[in-house]
Amino acid sequence: EPEVTQTPSHQVTQMGQEVILRCVPISNHLYFYWYRQILGQKVEFLVSFYNNEISEKSEIFDDQFSVERPDGSNFTLKIRSTKLEDSAMYFCASSEALVAGIYNEQFFGPGTRLTVL
Amino acid sequence: KQEVTQIPAALSVPEGENLVLNCSFTDSAIYNLQWFRQDPGKGLTSLLLIQSSQREQTSGRLNASLDKSSGRSTLYIAASQPGDSATYLCAVKRYNQGGKLIFGQGTELSVKP
Repeated sequence: EPEVTQTPSHQVTQMGQEVILRCVPISNHLYFYWYRQILGQKVEFLVSFYNNEISEKSEIFDDQFSVERPDGSNFTLKIRSTKLEDSAMYFCASSEALVAGIYNEQFFGPGTRLTVL
Repeated sequence: KQEVTQIPAALSVPEGENLVLNCSFTDSAIYNLQWFRQDPGKGLTSLLLIQSSQREQTSGRLNASLDKSSGRSTLYIAASQPGDSATYLCAVKRYNQGGKLIFGQGTELSVKP
């Protein structure tokens, strides 16, 4: 069964460093998302991406964050200068269509645990 | 602003019991509602998706209902098993918001053998 994959599973970085989190969405999906979950808190939406453009972003997704689909399979989240409060589990998700019928179910990857020291 | 709440925060039941998890949301203008399972330190597994026009969805021992007008959804688990132990999350998608899911805080379920 097709699944969303993410690498690395765990990333440790120093405050102020840049990190890139990678995701391979399900191959026929057109919509891509990043969410994060700080330990003990709710899963929070960061950004959605379609047709090589950001569709929507949250207040969390400030200028330190960027997303890119560098090729036909990968979807990346970059944090330019990490802060301690960026420590969280980051989830990538994808869906086949945005709103059409039953095909808008979002499928999540296993997550990347980011630890900022 | 849409708020999603799940009650209870934690639930412990003996194996074999039928149980109900609750999810409520403040704004009824939703497009759909999705239930997920999350195992400790792991990703989210989609269990059921209910469109706003539907009243319920079933998958195996799971049945999810939706009452949009009252802002409620329930996840019914029949004949619970220890393997059902996990955190269960509900999330809603609002109209005219590019795919964004708004999550509840989850119900941590423990099924004792």
